[in-house]
Amino acid sequence: QSVLTQPPSASGTPGQRVTISCSGSSSNIGSNYVYWYQQLPGTAPKLLIYRNNQWPSGVPDRFSGSKSGTSASLAISGLRSEDEADYYCAAWDDSLSGVVFGGGTKLTVL
Amino acid sequence: QVQLVQSGSELKKPGASVTLSCKTSGYTFTNYAMNWVRQAPGQGLEWVGWINPNTGNPTYAQAFTGRFVFSLDTSVSTAYLQISSLKAEDTAVYYCARAQGRVHCGGGSCYSGDYFFDYWGQGTLVTVSS
Repeated sequence: QSVLTQPPSASGTPGQRVTISCSGSSSNIGSNYVYWYQQLPGTAPKLLIYRNNQWPSGVPDRFSGSKSGTSASLAISGLRSEDEADYYCAAWDDSLSGVVFGGGTKLTVL
Repeated sequence: QVQLVQSGSELKKPGASVTLSCKTSGYTFTNYAMNWVRQAPGQGLEWVGWINPNTGNPTYAQAFTGRFVFSLDTSVSTAYLQISSLKAEDTAVYYCARAQGRVHCGGGSCYSGDYFFDYWGQGTLVTVSS
């Protein structure tokens, strides 16, 4: 069981907006930044969002992150076929003294 | 440009040991912590731990204490992960990942409000099978 909770799957059609949730606790999301990673099939994870809602260079602003209390979410607007991937949320956990990940959400573009 | 290049796939028998490498370039090796992340087949990401590139001090996630050992060779900007007494459940892809942010430890706990992985290696598949 992952410390952060994500839905195992999400889906949408091209052009739609989809959101992926990430639920944690006061020791992780509630007190630290949240990050999102995208893992395309057969590749290494890639940083998608950092510090709750910041974009690394090269990441389109179709991707956006937000955080409220002990939950966070990733929104993808203008869905494209190339967005089909696994998405993971992550945060530092003060109680565990380390990084915790969500279980991952597999996004399917129908 | 920043690059993390990992060693090739490994096939090992149960009980054996394996050492994975992560050779870096494009940045000052001692300025960033190196982390290791595990991904079992069809599963999610698990943080294995990190190593301080200045002191060589390793920190392991609770599930990875005992058989997992981090090391560094700063002369060649390379990090290593050694896994001993391999078990079938160690079969996974292991990623090295450079971290942004600082960790502060005291009183038996470590804290970091801001800690994330900005560059990743391509991964090394370790298969443990008799």
